[in-house]
Amino acid sequence: NAGVMQNPRHLVRRRGQEARLRCSPMKGHSHVYWYRQLPEEGLKFMVYLQKENIIDESGMPKERFSAEFPKEGPSILRIQQVVRGDSAAYFCASSPGRNQPQHFGDGTRLSIL
Amino acid sequence: GENVEQHPSTLSVQEGDSAVIKCTYSDSASNYFPWYKQELGKGPQLIIDIRSNVGEKKDQRIAVTLNKTAKHFSLHITETQPEDSAVYFCAAPMNRDDKIIFGKGTRLHILP
Repeated sequence: NAGVMQNPRHLVRRRGQEARLRCSPMKGHSHVYWYRQLPEEGLKFMVYLQKENIIDESGMPKERFSAEFPKEGPSILRIQQVVRGDSAAYFCASSPGRNQPQHFGDGTRLSIL
Repeated sequence: GENVEQHPSTLSVQEGDSAVIKCTYSDSASNYFPWYKQELGKGPQLIIDIRSNVGEKKDQRIAVTLNKTAKHFSLHITETQPEDSAVYFCAAPMNRDDKIIFGKGTRLHILP
């Protein structure tokens, strides 16, 4: 039973480009969460999605950032016109339902040149 | 506001001794408290969790205690081993939903 799969593991972009981060939840999980982690810090909640719905995006910047979890395929976190400050590790977690344990992927490390 | 405080930020323990990490939370409605272990280059791994209807839960060398009145919960690792070295995070949901707030983490070093 595969865990949460994130790709790519490492992503390098130049300022102004777009970054797309993918997350495939664990089998049977329909709830997906995205978090951001800066070095030596904890994880900051960004967005919570169920299939085809954004449930809570209170932690996501209003501009340049978007997330989706389509009926088919992985969840996507999209960052447009990246800036140096977007450099971080982005983690995805999934759970089978509300208030259930969240299981994390190994993250995508985004570096902005 | 929503907050989870975690202490200490760094902890060094002799191999075989016990380690204790403490957290406090602000939302009295929180009812689920997971602990995660994160190794270098990996994602957080859920190691134990506790719900508010119990005061203590144990799994082999790991235990978690919860004091809902004081809004404290703690992780206890006994008979520590080198592979316990990692960063540990406590977390609590806020606002009756699945938005989880993480503590800032404790870097645990197990000394030989």
